[in-house]
Amino acid sequence: DSGVTQTPKHLITATGQRVTLRCSPRSGDLSVYWYQQSLDQGLQFLIQYYNGEERAKGNILERFSAQQFPDLHSELNLSSLELGDSALYFCASSASTGMGGYTFGSGTRLTVV
Amino acid sequence: QQQVKQSPQSLIVQKGGISIINCAYENTAFDYFPWYQQFPGKGPALLIAIRPDVSEKKEGRFTISFNKSAKQFSLHIMDSQPGDSATYFCAAETIGGYQKVTFGTGTKLQVIP
Repeated sequence: DSGVTQTPKHLITATGQRVTLRCSPRSGDLSVYWYQQSLDQGLQFLIQYYNGEERAKGNILERFSAQQFPDLHSELNLSSLELGDSALYFCASSASTGMGGYTFGSGTRLTVV
Repeated sequence: QQQVKQSPQSLIVQKGGISIINCAYENTAFDYFPWYQQFPGKGPALLIAIRPDVSEKKEGRFTISFNKSAKQFSLHIMDSQPGDSATYFCAAETIGGYQKVTFGTGTKLQVIP
């Protein structure tokens, strides 16, 4: 157990639908990052939050949005889903300053049918 | 400036051999260079990391070699084992304030008996 909790582990939904992925960061970590990984592909950075504020955006589609709540958990909302959105979605967290490296969760596998 | 180039894309090594994965970066502001190991269906896990003030770091069978002047670093896996078969990502980040990691594209390692 890495300390980063992602739910659900698996999600199957139809095209056009909306889903919410949830992430609880490791205790004490203020930063949360979301990544998308398609089959046998690299890690595509989506978005970063630090203590409730958006800090950086990557290749995140307009149909996707995220937020970080006061208790530091984060949610990634995916809407108008397309077949191509099927992927593993990872959340990672990191300490505020001074320490490098991310701790990743075990991911949510999204299948759009 | 933000890219981290990783090679090879895939690697097959015999059990007991040495696996070598290379990465190169451009941004001299990077000051932390971690390697992540990812097994199928799992989240990446921090394997070993190095700061640019040292040229080598060794942890068990895993060694990072770092060449600051060439802006290159590599992962060496000695006495490679079938259990090392995984995808390896190099990364680079700037610690302090909020950090955002730049990942390499990944190397799929297969260690054959």
